[in-house]
Amino acid sequence: GENVEQHPSTLSVQEGDSAVIKCTYSDSASNYFPWYKQELGKRPQLIIDIRSNVGEKKDQRIAVTLNKTAKHFSLHITETQPEDSAVYFCAAVPFHTDKLIFGTGTRLQVFP
Amino acid sequence: KAGVTQTPRYLIKTRGQQVTLSCSPISGHRSVSWYQQTPGQGLQFLFEYFSETQRNKGNFPGRFSGRQFSNSRSEMNVSTLELGDSALYLCASSLAASGYNEQFFGPGTRLTVL
Repeated sequence: GENVEQHPSTLSVQEGDSAVIKCTYSDSASNYFPWYKQELGKRPQLIIDIRSNVGEKKDQRIAVTLNKTAKHFSLHITETQPEDSAVYFCAAVPFHTDKLIFGTGTRLQVFP
Repeated sequence: KAGVTQTPRYLIKTRGQQVTLSCSPISGHRSVSWYQQTPGQGLQFLFEYFSETQRNKGNFPGRFSGRQFSNSRSEMNVSTLELGDSALYLCASSLAASGYNEQFFGPGTRLTVL
């Protein structure tokens, strides 16, 4: 069945450093990959997404890259700030099912 | 525009009981999806409703069911509760059906089964 693996489960970085979260999906027909951020005690919110016809997408300090051949995609956060501390979820939409499959989440802690 | 709302916010039940959770989507959104969030499993898809019809279903037992009303409000029911059903249940609404659309999440209902 459809599956999305996410690593690492926890990540601690110093303020100003970069953070990278990686996800692997099982269904090669997946063609949409959003990332959601959930701050402590709050609801998940979409921060960036990428479609399979694009290899990279940037939005200020965050970027997402997609490698369709290897079936993995990554979230890159540069110049991290304490407010980046949250749980980040990657997700994939398998083409034939059209439903959102989430990874297990990465807890990012940015230390000042 | 008001966001997605869920009621109740907290519930405590005992094993064997049943529970109904409610979700009101953003005005104009016709798709409502439900997710179970637990510390080890992340966000697991339960089901999606669009125009009162279940479009997609996750890998949960038949004890988990849902429905959607003509005003797009949705309810989720869990019967014969088990300890493992303790979780945060999130609903999300989107303008149109399918996971390709941005999901707007509610605050969740935290269910504790004793």
